[in-house]
Amino acid sequence: DGGITQSPKYLFRKEGQNVTLSCEQNLNHDAMYWYRQDPGQGLRLIYYSQIVNDFQKGDIAEGYSVSREKKESFPLTVTSAQKNPTAFYLCASSTGGGNEQFFGPGTRLTVL
Amino acid sequence: KQEVTQIPAALSVPEGENLVLNCSFTDSAIYNLQWFRQDPGKGLTSLLLIQSSQREQTSGRLNASLDKSSGRSTLYIAASQPGDSATYLCAVSRGAGGYNKLIFGAGTRLAVHP
Repeated sequence: DGGITQSPKYLFRKEGQNVTLSCEQNLNHDAMYWYRQDPGQGLRLIYYSQIVNDFQKGDIAEGYSVSREKKESFPLTVTSAQKNPTAFYLCASSTGGGNEQFFGPGTRLTVL
Repeated sequence: KQEVTQIPAALSVPEGENLVLNCSFTDSAIYNLQWFRQDPGKGLTSLLLIQSSQREQTSGRLNASLDKSSGRSTLYIAASQPGDSATYLCAVSRGAGGYNKLIFGAGTRLAVHP
């Protein structure tokens, strides 16, 4: 089955900790994205990667970091610099910028 | 700056009704528009994608229309069922290739009751 997987489904972070959210896709898509969703709001773009070893900041990149060492993988690290990290995080991929995006099941991050 | 608005924010209808969800955007220079469905605590499922050159797309009981000049799109759901209960999100893309992000609306939360 082709698709996008995210892990873990639930993640709890203590103050001052860095945590990494996993996103893997086997759709052979070049572009991958990370979004944040807060209750009652639309999705906001955190980071975007068009090809391996390249990524760009989205609208709310502060306190987050990413890497794109493999085409299939686009992990997101939520650093201690992110002051309000509690949210639902969604990863997506597409064949290229502007094309139809497909989403993973999401990771819910809670700060304790 | 592109802004996407969805009205109403919430909608409750009896089973069997035909209904329309609205999406408006401020900048008509879009590449395409996508409608998504999101169940509680889940990711987004792509329902329909309309290219800027198209006027509508259909999939089963769903029909999405696009009027670029007026900055509007509607999602029509025919013969609604309780299984249609979810949040529906629309998003617009600015262009093809390169860095072209989706701009999302806040969604319409739909409840279809038996």
